Order: sequence, then structure tokens, then C-alpha cells
Amino acid sequence: DAKTTQPTSMDCAEGRAANLPCNHSTISGNEYVYWYRQIHSQGPQYIIHGLKNNETNEMASLIITEDRKSSTLILPHATLRDTAVYYCIVSLYNQGGKLIFGQGTELSVKP
Amino acid sequence: ETGVTQSPTHLIKTRGQQVTLRCSSQSGHNTVSWYQQALGQGPQFIFQYYREEENGRGNFPPRFSGLQFPNYSSELNVNALELDDSALYLCASSRFGASGTDTQYFGPGTRLTVL
Repeated sequence: DAKTTQPTSMDCAEGRAANLPCNHSTISGNEYVYWYRQIHSQGPQYIIHGLKNNETNEMASLIITEDRKSSTLILPHATLRDTAVYYCIVSLYNQGGKLIFGQGTELSVKP
Repeated sequence: ETGVTQSPTHLIKTRGQQVTLRCSSQSGHNTVSWYQQALGQGPQFIFQYYREEENGRGNFPPRFSGLQFPNYSSELNVNALELDDSALYLCASSRFGASGTDTQYFGPGTRLTVL
């Protein structure tokens, strides 16, 4: 079973920041938080990952709480092309590649 | 840099037949993982191949099998197809090194329909 809990769906206005929450209260010390997104019928796209520090790249920012039990993915200026299902995944860096996907959050960016 | 590619894009088979799906890993990657995604669900891990051997398997029956070739490309074979095998099959490649498995990057998938 997935070790993460995410809201089923969220809406966001175009141009505004999209903040997607994820709970992972049973995360262990050496597990990373990964975010992927999947646009309808395409392969999942890697967004960002982190261990305990906040991370930022050209796509998004990842904020991980100090106790590591939850995190937030931030898309700073959402566009219509960001409409997708967003998956938060907890994974051991060296566990051999098994990503356990949950149901994800369906983000709808509206004009 | 070439990304992960999969073939074919779409495939239609009938129940009881066999199917082979193909995946070419991203340049510099030596590990391939396969996932099955049923409609409306998140992807489920089938197995992973590293150094041409299976390196971890999910809860799938033995009629799901795979191969990895010296160039790190991979095949997924499914025998005795069932209607429930209809799904999007995803391949992801990564680099497995001394510190473990790096981030996985996914291909576009193969849509399999079993009639």
C-alpha cells in the first residue's frame, strides 16, 4: 500500500500558485519524498524529490516539514498545461526502484 | 540525450494470446522497471531488471516475465492474456550505482487492449 495520503482533487486559477499537500506520517529516516505528475494517458513525469531540506528546481518547489510527516509541492505560477494527476511517493533511494503509487491528486488549472 | 522510448504505442490482442512490449532506456541508465496502470488507477510495479537479471518483483503472476539486454533495453512478455491485462504498460529507466537507484524516468507507455 502507498505510504502517502493526498486530496483526491484540487482546483487552481491560472497564474496563481498551486499548493499540493501530501501526508506521509510513517516515513522512515532514509526515505525520500518524490513527486511525479501524469497528464492524461502519458507516462508519469518526474518533478522533484527531497529528503529533509526544501528543494527547488525549474518546475516546482518542495517544502518538507521539520518532522518530515508531510510535504507540499508548489507550482509557483500554474498554467493550463499543469492540469494533471500529481503523485506523492515515499521511496528508499536504494530500495531497487519500486515506486508505490497511490491515487494522486487531480489538479485542474482553470482560466 | 535520448529519453525512454517504448513500442508499440498501442496494441490489441485477444484473450489467451501472448504479447511482447519493448523499452529502450535513457542514455546512461542501466536499470529498467515495468509498471502496469489500469484505467483510473495509479501505476503498479511489476518488476525491475538490472544487469540482465530480475531485481525485485511486485505482486504479478509468473505469466508476466521480462528480459534485459546488454544494451540495457528491455522486454515485457505476458502469456495467456486475460481481459484484466488491458492497461497502460509503463517502462521507467534509472541508474543503479554504488549509492543505490537514482530517479526513475518514464516512457510514454504502451496501451494494451485485450478483447
